[in-house]
Amino acid sequence: SQTIHQWPATLVQPVGSPLSLECTVEGTSNPNLYWYRQAAGRGLQLLFYSVGIGQISSEVPQNLSASRPQDRQFILSSKKLLLSDSGFYLCAWSSRTGREKLFFGSGTQLSVL
Amino acid sequence: QKEVEQNSGPLSVPEGAIASLNCTYSDRVSQSFFWYRQYSGKSPELIMSIYSNGDKEDGRFTAQLNKASQYVSLLIRDSQPSDSATYLCAVNRGGFKTIFGAGTRLFVKA
Repeated sequence: SQTIHQWPATLVQPVGSPLSLECTVEGTSNPNLYWYRQAAGRGLQLLFYSVGIGQISSEVPQNLSASRPQDRQFILSSKKLLLSDSGFYLCAWSSRTGREKLFFGSGTQLSVL
Repeated sequence: QKEVEQNSGPLSVPEGAIASLNCTYSDRVSQSFFWYRQYSGKSPELIMSIYSNGDKEDGRFTAQLNKASQYVSLLIRDSQPSDSATYLCAVNRGGFKTIFGAGTRLFVKA
């Protein structure tokens, strides 16, 4: 069966510090990978998606970036965090033929202070 | 107008009752529709998907889709306290971008 791992679970970072969140998927090949952010009391916002190694599409211009160095690894980064970057970050995967069904990791609660 | 709209709730129902959750969407070319359940502090979990007009049943859950009215609903029969969560409606028009509503909080009273 497929599993998705995301870490860390919680993170408190000062403004201006760098960020690196990692996500890995097991039990499937060539997944579509996604990073979403959920602000308190709001819907999920798609940040990035990837259909293959090195292929990244950005949905929202911001100071975040994503990379996919391996087929089942997806990384979210920032060089300098802003207060507005606080939120619940979720990695997700979908299969190539899965009719857009998303399966989420456990999430990272990021607080930028 | 938001792309996917849901009543934020909370919707409170007694144990054993039917909970009815509603969602409207603005993009007429939307093709795929989903309901996710999210417990407090946890990640969303897919519970239902529906692609054509009508009803789709899975256990205690029934999803209903009316594309002409741009309306999706989720019925939960025999509601249990463990069903207390936020339910997210999500819509996809056929690409990689799935749009989520802000969710409806459901509280099932024992």
